[in-house]
Amino acid sequence: GAVVSQHPSRVICKSGTSVKIECRSLDFQATTMFWYRQFPKKSLMLMATSNEGSKATYEQGVEKDKFLINHASLTLSTLTVTSAHPEDSSFYICSASPTGASGANVLTFGAGSRLTVL
Amino acid sequence: AQSVTQLGSHVSVSEGALVLLRCNYSSSVPPYLFWYVQYPNQGLQLLLKYTTGATLVKGINGFEAEFKKSETSFHLTKPSAHMSDAAEYFCAVRPPHTGGFKTIFGAGTRLFVKA
Repeated sequence: GAVVSQHPSRVICKSGTSVKIECRSLDFQATTMFWYRQFPKKSLMLMATSNEGSKATYEQGVEKDKFLINHASLTLSTLTVTSAHPEDSSFYICSASPTGASGANVLTFGAGSRLTVL
Repeated sequence: AQSVTQLGSHVSVSEGALVLLRCNYSSSVPPYLFWYVQYPNQGLQLLLKYTTGATLVKGINGFEAEFKKSETSFHLTKPSAHMSDAAEYFCAVRPPHTGGFKTIFGAGTRLFVKA
């Protein structure tokens, strides 16, 4: 089955530094990937849609300069949290579906990356 | 705009009892519907989905859900709860027939299973 890998699973950084999270589709190509943020005991909030070879589409209220998304290949999307602050601490989850799949197909989710900013 | 409402942020059942997690959606057309489960510090795992066809959908781990258009509902059930079912459950919707994958999630329901 389709597998999505996220790395790192946990990261702790100092305030003001930048952190990059990778999302890889291991056994399929994904033109589109999605980045979600999950606050403690809360639901998933869609942050942005990552499109291979073009700019990401950000949801309303998400700072594109804070959360940089790059989708340089059909199997890799990265989320960079720039100048991180404690309020950026959260669980970040990516998801993807095979290129050419219909909308009825299931998204495969990564295991998530927990970011803690000190 | 589509939205998903999960009634009850916490549900507690005894082991062996019926599990019922409620989900209602708001959409101008019946969307694709999904239930996901999330264990602590992990990503989401698909339990089941409804796209077209039979309205009673069976998923993994003995779960099933029924799409009721008249009630705009997609409640998740399991006849007999097991301790391992304790987790967070999310109902999700996606607009149909657009080819897109933008998925909207409900707030989640945490299931507690008592011995």
